[in-house]
Amino acid sequence: SQTIHQWPATLVQPVGSPLSLECTVEGTSNPNLYWYRQAAGRGLQLLFYSVGIGQISSEVPQNLSASRPQDRQFILSSKKLLLSDSGFYLCAWSVLAGGGTQYFGPGTRLTVL
Amino acid sequence: AQKVTQAQTEISVVEKEDVTLDCVYETRDTTYYLFWYKQPPSGELVFLIRRNSFDEQNEISGRYSWNFQKSTSSFNFTITASQVVDSAVYFCALSEALHWLAQGAQKLVFGQGTRLTINP
Repeated sequence: SQTIHQWPATLVQPVGSPLSLECTVEGTSNPNLYWYRQAAGRGLQLLFYSVGIGQISSEVPQNLSASRPQDRQFILSSKKLLLSDSGFYLCAWSVLAGGGTQYFGPGTRLTVL
Repeated sequence: AQKVTQAQTEISVVEKEDVTLDCVYETRDTTYYLFWYKQPPSGELVFLIRRNSFDEQNEISGRYSWNFQKSTSSFNFTITASQVVDSAVYFCALSEALHWLAQGAQKLVFGQGTRLTINP
């Protein structure tokens, strides 16, 4: 069966510091991968998606970037965090045969102080 | 643009009551998918159901049931005989194709969620 991991689970970072969040998927090949952010009291917003290694598309211009160095690894990064980057970051995967259903990881709660 | 509205921000009921969560959507696409996800206090989003726009049959899964009505652009979710473990935030979502080259990648447009509290 498929499993999705995210780490770290929680992170507190000062403004201006770098960021690296990691997501890995097990049990499936060539998945589509996604990064969403959930700000406090708000819905989820798609940040990035990837359909293959090295293929990244951004949905919202922002202070963040994403990379996919391996088939089942998706990384969210920032060179300098802003206060507005605080939120709950969720990674998700889907496959073409799944009709678009996305399965989410446990999330990373990021607080920027 | 795609839009999902969950007008009920919070609902609180007593255990064993039935409760319905409303979802209204807007889309210009003729083919689309609708979803419900559950977000318990741990934060992880748990997939509950996917419905194809061509399939308007209602679905029942145990105590859960879904009513899809294309004429009113609604996809409501009912929990029968609610239990404390049903307490969570529930999200309705609508799929949007990202790009014809995107190999089936879909953007999920989420509603703002309904926080459901089941009291013992």
